[in-house]
Amino acid sequence: QSVLTQPPSVSGAPGQRVTISCTGSSSDIGAGYDVHWYQQFPGTAPRLLIYGNIDRPSGVPDRFSGSKSGTSASLAITGLQAEDEADYYCQSYDNSLSASVFGGGTKLTVL
Amino acid sequence: QVQLVQSGAEVKRPGSSVKVSCKASGGTFSGYTVSWVRQAPGQGLEWMGRVIPMLNRGNYAQRFQGRVTITVDKSATTASMELSSLRSEDTAVYYCARDVILTPVTRYFDLWGRGTLVTVSS
Repeated sequence: QSVLTQPPSVSGAPGQRVTISCTGSSSDIGAGYDVHWYQQFPGTAPRLLIYGNIDRPSGVPDRFSGSKSGTSASLAITGLQAEDEADYYCQSYDNSLSASVFGGGTKLTVL
Repeated sequence: QVQLVQSGAEVKRPGSSVKVSCKASGGTFSGYTVSWVRQAPGQGLEWMGRVIPMLNRGNYAQRFQGRVTITVDKSATTASMELSSLRSEDTAVYYCARDVILTPVTRYFDLWGRGTLVTVSS
C-alpha cells in the first residue's frame, strides 16, 4: 500500500486534457513537502517530468503541468498524444517515516 | 552528460545476498545523494534508501532496515546497494537514482539508471 494515493488508471482521447491526482497527508504533502512526477514506459526507467510541484526539466513539453494544494497535487496533460501513454508516479517526502514516498502509479491510456 | 550505469542481472537463491552497483559515467555523485528504488513485476516504485557520499552514511526505509546497506566509493563515482536474506518477494528491478535535495522540502530524483533485474528463486 503506497503512502500517496493515485487513481489506478485514467484515459482520454487524442487532443483532450486529462488530470492525475495524488493525495497525501499531513506528514508529507500537507507538511509542505514538494511533489514531483515521473513518467515510465514499459520496460524502461522512470523519467523526471515535473519537480518542485510545477517546474519542468528541459525537454519536457509544456503540455505537462503540475499543481499542489493542501494535501494533494495534480498532474495535467493537455493536447493528449498517443506517445503520452505510460505510467505516471507522484513522489514526495514523509517526515514521520523520514523517507521519500511514491504514489501507486496511474496508467494513462490514450483512446 | 552524466549517465548512471548499473551492473547486470542477477539470479539468487533465497537466503543469500545480492550487491548491485551504479557507476556515474561522465561525472561523480559529489553534491548529490544516491537513492535506490525498486519495482516488483507489475508493481509501483518503492524507495529503499539513500547514501550521502560525503559522509558515506545511509538512511533506509523502515521495511528494509537491517537488510539493506547502501554505500558509495571514496571517489564518489560508484554507489552500491546490498540486500541480504533474500526472499522471493525481493524479485524486482532495482534502480539507482541521483537524488537532488534543493531545499529541506524539495528532494527528487533527476537521473536514473536503467535498472538491474534481481530474481530470487530456488
